[in-house]
Amino acid sequence: DTEVTQTPKHLVMGMTNKKSLKCEQHMGHRAMYWYKQKAKKPPELMFVYSYEKLSINESVPSRFSPECPNSSLLNLHLHALQPEDSALYLCASSQDPTGAEAFFGQGTRLTVV
Amino acid sequence: GQNIDQPTEMTATEGAIVQINCTYQTSGFNGLFWYQQHAGEAPTFLSYNVLDGLEEKGRFSSFLSRSKGYSYLLLKELQMKDSASYLCAVKDKAAGNKLTFGGGTRVLVKP
Repeated sequence: DTEVTQTPKHLVMGMTNKKSLKCEQHMGHRAMYWYKQKAKKPPELMFVYSYEKLSINESVPSRFSPECPNSSLLNLHLHALQPEDSALYLCASSQDPTGAEAFFGQGTRLTVV
Repeated sequence: GQNIDQPTEMTATEGAIVQINCTYQTSGFNGLFWYQQHAGEAPTFLSYNVLDGLEEKGRFSSFLSRSKGYSYLLLKELQMKDSASYLCAVKDKAAGNKLTFGGGTRVLVKP
């Protein structure tokens, strides 16, 4: 199994809603990542979890809250988002933070209305 | 910080060769990656270079010169399905080994 699975694939939410994005991998990878990607732009790093601990937070607003319940799961909790937060949210994992290869999930396309 | 530059767009003909250049500046270089991304899909890993030289993988090759802060991705025998964005990304150990992407090069393969 070399997959990173993200759910849901699409999400539409209002600015007052609370929702969560989920990411799962069963490759035994110990580093997991959240990226945000706007149309025709490269992925931008949001968070890195290394051995289930948050190791990098790229000054992301607190309306995005990551959580790593165990080594296979990574969540991104969303609250009070703005329309400009609409984007493709990509989860990735690698063997460890120095890992040569990061596997990406298919992403969650988020629309904030 | 990091500065990663690559051309915005390239066009090539089916069966031809295209070379996508990437230049970077980083304080703790720890590897350069190339990813392919089709529109609306996730990036897929193509290659990894951490030492100088050429890495070949089928129709795709990637070259690195650390002293010049330069890499290229070479796509040979282009096929229509190679039309995609190609992302150069650099890992920086001075920044916790985070992977930072360049802006991507959109390659259009014409018949």
